[in-house]
Amino acid sequence: GAVVSQHPSWVICKSGTSVKIECRSLDFQATTMFWYRQFPKQSLMLMATSNEGSKATYEQGVEKDKFLINHASLTLSTLTVTSAHPEDSSFYICSATNPGGANTEAFFGQGTRLTVV
Amino acid sequence: AQKITQTQPGMFVQEKEAVTLDCTYDTSDPSYGLFWYKQPSSGEMIFLIYQGSYDQQNATEGRYSLNFQKARKSANLVISASQLGDSAMYFCATANTGANSKLTFGKGITLSVRP
Repeated sequence: GAVVSQHPSWVICKSGTSVKIECRSLDFQATTMFWYRQFPKQSLMLMATSNEGSKATYEQGVEKDKFLINHASLTLSTLTVTSAHPEDSSFYICSATNPGGANTEAFFGQGTRLTVV
Repeated sequence: AQKITQTQPGMFVQEKEAVTLDCTYDTSDPSYGLFWYKQPSSGEMIFLIYQGSYDQQNATEGRYSLNFQKARKSANLVISASQLGDSAMYFCATANTGANSKLTFGKGITLSVRP
């Protein structure tokens, strides 16, 4: 099946710094990618829809200036957590749909565990 | 709008037995898909099975089958011959069948397989 690679898989950063997470589709072109956030033992909450060549669409309650999304190419979307604080510590995971696939299956990256200290 | 409901508390099953994980959904889309994903403790999301709203037959993938009852808006996952490696969180999700549709997830169910 299609592969989505997310990097880094875990990161620890100091409060006030920014962290960039990359999401790559390795064997297909993804015009749209999705970014989710997940707290322990909870569901995946959609943060934003990343659109290649245009602005991301953010879900209600998600600060666009806090979570910067860039989708500069058909195979790469990045999420930057700016001025990170301990409450931003969470599991972040991206997904993409292969438009040439048999169904609308979404392929997920491995996820990034962010810890802000 | 779409909504997925998974209300079961943590589930336990004996190794080699079958288990059913419940999922009900609500959607205003005339054409939609239903998905099940497995999330082990490592965090990765593993796709298990897909059911299209217009599919006449229930989907099956190896030990996984989906009991799709459209009139009742339910899409229960059946895992046969449980294995220890099946212990994980399981999420039911839905999306409309348009290109690049976003998934709406349920809150998940924790399954523990006992030896």
